[in-house]
Amino acid sequence: RKEVEQDPGPFNVPEGATVAFNCTYSNSASQSFFWYRQDCRKEPKLLMSVYSSGNEDGRFTAQLNRASQYISLLIRDSKLSDSATYLCVVRFSGGYNKLIFGAGTRLAVHP
Amino acid sequence: GAGVSQSPRYKVAKRGQDVALRCDPISGHVSLFWYQQALGQGPEFLTYFQNEAQLDKSGLPSDRFFAERPEGSVSTLKIQRTQQEDSAVYLCASSLVGLGQGYEQYFGPGTRLTVT
Repeated sequence: RKEVEQDPGPFNVPEGATVAFNCTYSNSASQSFFWYRQDCRKEPKLLMSVYSSGNEDGRFTAQLNRASQYISLLIRDSKLSDSATYLCVVRFSGGYNKLIFGAGTRLAVHP
Repeated sequence: GAGVSQSPRYKVAKRGQDVALRCDPISGHVSLFWYQQALGQGPEFLTYFQNEAQLDKSGLPSDRFFAERPEGSVSTLKIQRTQQEDSAVYLCASSLVGLGQGYEQYFGPGTRLTVT
């Protein structure tokens, strides 16, 4: 079983739609959680960190449920420019800050 | 300011050749990571340096893979006797501080290695 598992993509949605991505992680020692965005043939870039209380950044909302070992990302009012692969990422407390990535979920927003 | 740079951006190697991939981290960044990203997958951790010390090499897939950072800045990932399964994008990331402190990792553009 992979340490970080994500919804299989792709998600094809129209502009303006709300879309949610889910992610589960297997190691309860996971300490920090993130969503990264990766455009085609580009490097991953940090989208947002995920906090236990949930956090919001504009149209993006991230939630963490430590008991269920579950992370989510909600994108409201999707834009064409949101089309990318979204990577769920965890960092373990004893792991020299190395990041463990999920395989990613591809989002395609169409007009 | 300059971000993380990697060279070459693309490398085609014949099976059995040795390759060397270079990473220039952001100036002053203590931590440096190498990741391997296969097609359709997320990046997978290879190795970690804090300054010149290689503190974790648990992700290196075989003894054909070797990484160094002799002066605590530029790093080189070397792959000996390349195999087709080594074809992937090799990403380098750096962050400001090291152990136990969560600072953002900034990724370079990657080197796309194709072994024929």
